[in-house]
Amino acid sequence: GDQVEQSPSALSLHEGTGSALRCNFTTTMRAVQWFQQNSRGSLINLFYLASGTKENGRLKSTFNSKESYSTLHIRDAQLEDSGTYFCAAAGGGSNAKLTFGKGTKLSVKS
Amino acid sequence: EAAVTQSPRNKVAVTGGKVTLSCNQTNNHNNMYWYRQDTGHGLRLIHYSYGAGSTEKGDIPDGYKASRPSQENFSLILELATPSQTSVYFCASGRTDNYAEQFFGPGTRLTVL
Repeated sequence: GDQVEQSPSALSLHEGTGSALRCNFTTTMRAVQWFQQNSRGSLINLFYLASGTKENGRLKSTFNSKESYSTLHIRDAQLEDSGTYFCAAAGGGSNAKLTFGKGTKLSVKS
Repeated sequence: EAAVTQSPRNKVAVTGGKVTLSCNQTNNHNNMYWYRQDTGHGLRLIHYSYGAGSTEKGDIPDGYKASRPSQENFSLILELATPSQTSVYFCASGRTDNYAEQFFGPGTRLTVL
């Protein structure tokens, strides 16, 4: 099965509301990275975490390696937050390979 | 200013033809990667490199070769392109001392007819 399970696959929010996206890992991961893919297809780096929590504006992400999950919280959603959000995780070893989840497609409506 | 660039940005190729996708990075990173993105699959790793002269197979290397002639440049080569290789291809770079954090290029949309 997939090593990185991302949920939900799709999410619709009204402007000003918030929600959480989640990634569960079926094997031990050492770090996680979150991306937003915008309407042009570009992958924008949001967070890189080897542990703990990071916050940037309306976004907050947590990575718990022991319990094998990571979350991305979006608050006060804006129209420009629409896009597809991916988590990608790195397992042990030195090759720094990332395994991607299948993404969460977020639509923010006015 | 963009640290990871890809060329071409769009490419139409014919079945059986040779296709070369190029990637250049100015991050001075040792590691470079090639991924493909298809609907329903997220991004999947094709080949990667630890430095000039090095290439390693990723998770889906069949039908692809890679070349890393210098620190800055990493190419993906389709010797005999097939329609199943129609996809969006992303290049990325990353440091060896901070594994996992990768920085992506804008992507190349390849259509094989």
